[in-house]
Amino acid sequence: EPEVTQTPSHQVTQMGQEVILRCVPISNHLYFYWYRQILGQKVEFLVSFYNNEISEKSEIFDDQFSVERPDGSNFTLKIRSTKLEDSAMYFCASRTEGYGYTFGSGTRLTVV
Amino acid sequence: KNEVEQSPQNLTAQEGEFITINCSYSVGISALHWLQQHPGGGIVSLFMLSSGKKKHGRLIATINIQEKHSSLHITASHPRDSAVYICAVGRSGTYKYIFGTGTRLKVLA
Repeated sequence: EPEVTQTPSHQVTQMGQEVILRCVPISNHLYFYWYRQILGQKVEFLVSFYNNEISEKSEIFDDQFSVERPDGSNFTLKIRSTKLEDSAMYFCASRTEGYGYTFGSGTRLTVV
Repeated sequence: KNEVEQSPQNLTAQEGEFITINCSYSVGISALHWLQQHPGGGIVSLFMLSSGKKKHGRLIATINIQEKHSSLHITASHPRDSAVYICAVGRSGTYKYIFGTGTRLKVLA
């Protein structure tokens, strides 16, 4: 069964450093998403991406965040200058028409 | 008030019991997902519903659009069913999903 692949599974970074979280969505999917889950809290929407542009973003997704689909297969989330409160599990998801989501297994980001 | 409410928050059951987890929402939706999150954190999509009922193995999901309510049932529960079950709704007119806080299920052998 096709999968959404996320790398790395766990990343530890120093506060203030830039991090890039990587996702390979399912190849024929058209809609891409990043969500995050702070430990013990519910999953929160960050951003959706369609047709090579952001289609919707949440208030969490400020200027420190950016997304890119650099080569038609990868879908990346960049955090420019990480803060302690960015520590969370970050999930990538993709879907086709009809809203059938497939989630990646997540990247646990720890900012120290 | 949360747009997606789940109940119960925590549930402990004995192996073999029939389990029901409920989800109520207050917004117009295009679809509803039931997801399973294991202790390691990964999320697996169990069902996507826009109407009616779906069954997969021992899992059954139903949705009542008029009442804005969905239920996830697990028949003949097993310890390997222990996980957090999350309801997420796709809000009409947007691309994003809104997640419930999850129901933590523990099935005892």
